[in-house]
Amino acid sequence: GESVGLHLPTLSVQEGDNSIINCAYSNSASDYFIWYKQESGKGPQFIIDIRSNMDKRQGQRVTVLLNKTVKHLSLQIAATQPGDSAVYFCAENIGQGAQKLVFGQGTRLTINP
Amino acid sequence: EAGVTQFPSHSVIEKGQTVTLRCDPISGHDNLYWYRRVMGKEIKFLLHFVKESKQDESGMPNNRFLAERTGGTYSTLKVQPAELEDSGVYFCASSQGQGIGYTFGSGTRLTVV
Repeated sequence: GESVGLHLPTLSVQEGDNSIINCAYSNSASDYFIWYKQESGKGPQFIIDIRSNMDKRQGQRVTVLLNKTVKHLSLQIAATQPGDSAVYFCAENIGQGAQKLVFGQGTRLTINP
Repeated sequence: EAGVTQFPSHSVIEKGQTVTLRCDPISGHDNLYWYRRVMGKEIKFLLHFVKESKQDESGMPNNRFLAERTGGTYSTLKVQPAELEDSGVYFCASSQGQGIGYTFGSGTRLTVV
């Protein structure tokens, strides 16, 4: 399953499938990007980050892709599990270091059994 | 290590009253940030402390909001007088240095009635 982030804020996928969450960022000068996961009643939890000098970074079951040409960021989650159900936010860093994050609208991912 | 702690977790107050939110960052983290999410919209930056100094308060919505971090440890965010549009979830985050490693608290859900 795939979402366009701001245009489709909800995404449902079957357990075990891969999911892709997309995000368009606004500032071409942003140098650091982060994906956060937020579960109900909790604060945003760091998933993975990427700096602007990279176009891909992989973690455990997650991959972030960065396309600076079109200012687009995506989060790929492989072999989704029920615990992946949450709202996912992309965030771009404005300024040097993690001083001020600008968050996207968020996408709600639901994993169906 | 203990995470970022916010108190209270929920607060319901009447319009015109005063509310003070508290954030205890991770011990040793010089950087402390306040963010908020209102009306299901995106999470927005309020301000950033480095130790006890306000590094950036460009996101503070108006002069009804006052943030302090006396002694460079915990921080408080006071809303006086509260208005209906202040309802939302207020998040605090901390980091040891610039660049990486925001850790968010679970947030304070503020409801102004």
